[in-house]
Amino acid sequence: AQSVAQPEDQVNVAEGNPLTVKCTYSVSGNPYLFWYVQYPNRGLQFLLKYITGDNLVKGSYGFEAEFNKSQTSFHLKKPSALVSDSALYFCAARFAGTALIFGKGTTLSVSS
Amino acid sequence: EAGVTQFPSHSVIEKGQTVTLRCDPISGHDNLYWYRRVMGKEIKFLLHFVKESKQDESGMPNNRFLAERTGGTYSTLKVQPAELEDSGVYFCASSQLWTGPYEQYFGPGTRLTVT
Repeated sequence: AQSVAQPEDQVNVAEGNPLTVKCTYSVSGNPYLFWYVQYPNRGLQFLLKYITGDNLVKGSYGFEAEFNKSQTSFHLKKPSALVSDSALYFCAARFAGTALIFGKGTTLSVSS
Repeated sequence: EAGVTQFPSHSVIEKGQTVTLRCDPISGHDNLYWYRRVMGKEIKFLLHFVKESKQDESGMPNNRFLAERTGGTYSTLKVQPAELEDSGVYFCASSQLWTGPYEQYFGPGTRLTVT
């Protein structure tokens, strides 16, 4: 079955350090891949997407994600974390249909 | 441009009662989706409207859930009668039609608690 996995429930990083939030997917074919962020009491906000082409995609708020087809991964990265980046991050994929398939989410906590 | 709005933001009801959630998509977005996140788990797809028609309702858990989209504008999701396992956050999302690998724009969600 098609699925998206976020292996870490929580990621802790100090402000100014690089961060990585992991995502892997299980599917046959070429999915579209997305990252969304949810701040407290807010809806999911789109960060970035991978469709085709360059494996490194850049998105909002200085985030980027690297697509790795051989490892079926789409990890979210940022070179220098901010306290304001603390939020819940969701990886999602869209396969043949139009519905998004989400991972369970990873809470990012950035300490000052 | 106004985003996707949902009402109410929170709802607490007793088991057996009825609740209706509302979603207003971004103006001009023909695609409307409902998703649900049960505490700590994945956000799961419920159904997809294209204008007023149900395109895909494969994620609807059972016949206690009824979704409508009047005139292809706002949508409602009714749960009747509610059960404890229906508790969670219900998200609505919308997107433009025929825009290729488009992102979906999400509302803030309705947190439903069934006691």
